[in-house]
Amino acid sequence: GAGVSQSPSNKVTEKGKDVELRCDPISGHTALYWYRQSLGQGLEFLIYFQGNSAPDKSGLPSDRFSAERTGGSVSTLTIQRTQQEDSAVYLCASSLRPPYNEQFFGPGTRLTVL
Amino acid sequence: GIQVEQSPPDLILQEGANSTLRCNFSDSVNNLQWFHQNPWGQLINLFYIPSGTKQNGRLSATTVATERYSLLYISSSQTTDSGVYFCAALVNTGNQFYFGTGTSLTVIP
Repeated sequence: GAGVSQSPSNKVTEKGKDVELRCDPISGHTALYWYRQSLGQGLEFLIYFQGNSAPDKSGLPSDRFSAERTGGSVSTLTIQRTQQEDSAVYLCASSLRPPYNEQFFGPGTRLTVL
Repeated sequence: GIQVEQSPPDLILQEGANSTLRCNFSDSVNNLQWFHQNPWGQLINLFYIPSGTKQNGRLSATTVATERYSLLYISSSQTTDSGVYFCAALVNTGNQFYFGTGTSLTVIP
C-alpha cells in the first residue's frame, strides 16, 4: 500500500479482556516499530522488529504485552487482561532497512479500556 | 537512553509570524526526524535530517550534530500549522527512536 495502515482505528474493551492491534507496514520496509501515546503525552517506544525478529523488546511495559511479525510484513500487538492504564493511542511506524531509518507512521489505534 | 528536550513547550503565534523550535539531545545520534502531529493525531514527516540544513516551502530545519541540537523554522505561519511538533533522535548504537515531549503550536488568525 501507499502508507502504513493500522486496524482497528478505535477499540473499546472491558477491563480484563484481550485485544489485538494490527499494523501493515509500507511494502518493502523491513523495520517496524510500535509506540504508545497517552493523552497529551509524547511517544513511548514499545518494540522494534527487523524482519520477523525483535532484537529490542525493552519498551514493553509488562508481560501482558506481546508482539509478533510474520512474513516480514504484518505485525500484531497483543495486550492480555487489559487494564485502564493501557488506554492510549498505539502507533506503528516502518522504515527501510538500516541505515535508511526514516520512519513513516500509521494513523494509530485508539484503545479505550472501560 | 538519551534525553531529548524540546523548547518551548507551548507557543502561540499570530498568523504570518515566524518561529523557531529547538530540539536538544544528550548523546551522539545518527538520525533525527521532525514530525507534525495534526489535530487528528496523524504524525506527518517534516524532515529527516541527521545533519545539515533542509528546506521545504515555508519550513526549514538545521541539525548541528556536533553540538547536539536541531532547529525547526516556520516562516509566515498559517492556522493549518497548528498542532504538536515532535523531534525524534536515533542513537548511533541503537534501533530505538527517542521522542521529545513536543512543542504545541497554536496559530491564531
